[in-house]
Amino acid sequence: DSGVTQTPKHLITATGQRVTLRCSPRSGDLSVYWYQQSLDQGLQFLIQYYNGEERAKGNILERFSAQQFPDLHSELNLSSLELGDSALYFCASSGSPSSYNSPLHFGNGTRLTVT
Amino acid sequence: AQSVTQLGSHVSVSEGALVLLRCNYSSSVPPYLFWYVQYPNQGLQLLLKYTSAATLVKGINGFEAEFKKSETSFHLTKPSAHMSDAAEYFCAVSAAGQNFVFGPGTRLSVLP
Repeated sequence: DSGVTQTPKHLITATGQRVTLRCSPRSGDLSVYWYQQSLDQGLQFLIQYYNGEERAKGNILERFSAQQFPDLHSELNLSSLELGDSALYFCASSGSPSSYNSPLHFGNGTRLTVT
Repeated sequence: AQSVTQLGSHVSVSEGALVLLRCNYSSSVPPYLFWYVQYPNQGLQLLLKYTSAATLVKGINGFEAEFKKSETSFHLTKPSAHMSDAAEYFCAVSAAGQNFVFGPGTRLSVLP
């Protein structure tokens, strides 16, 4: 058990809709990362927050947004959903603001299916 | 910019045989290297990490990896494969001021 909790485990929704994915990091970890995993794109970094502030941005679409709250949990909001957004979305956490020498701890992911 | 390549998207070995999963990286600064394993319907789990100490790194479940700077490689090995090793394996590189970059992954199948 990594200590990172993601909810929900599965989400099925229709095109054009909006969903929110939630992540609680490991106790004591201040950094939260969001990744998208799909068959054709592999594991893609979306965005990182550290102690409530956006730290780094990756391949995140404008239709997607995220935030980290004072209690350090994070939410990833996906809007105007398209079929191509169907993927596994992972949250990871680490203790340091820059992850370069500190491993990431991953949650079990949220599987999003857009129909 | 950093990058990671993993040769072979799918590797099959027999139970008891040597496991060798290849990882080559590109980094303009000294890298930190990681191997992660992903079992079906689970998140990624850290197997081992290289952070500029010993070049031969031992991880969980009998896996180890050797950092070879001259070859820019960080191949993952295990002397004897077990059925429970069947999973997807990801190599990742990071460096000071850089975020993680993951390789495309290698799916390991273990045949009885």
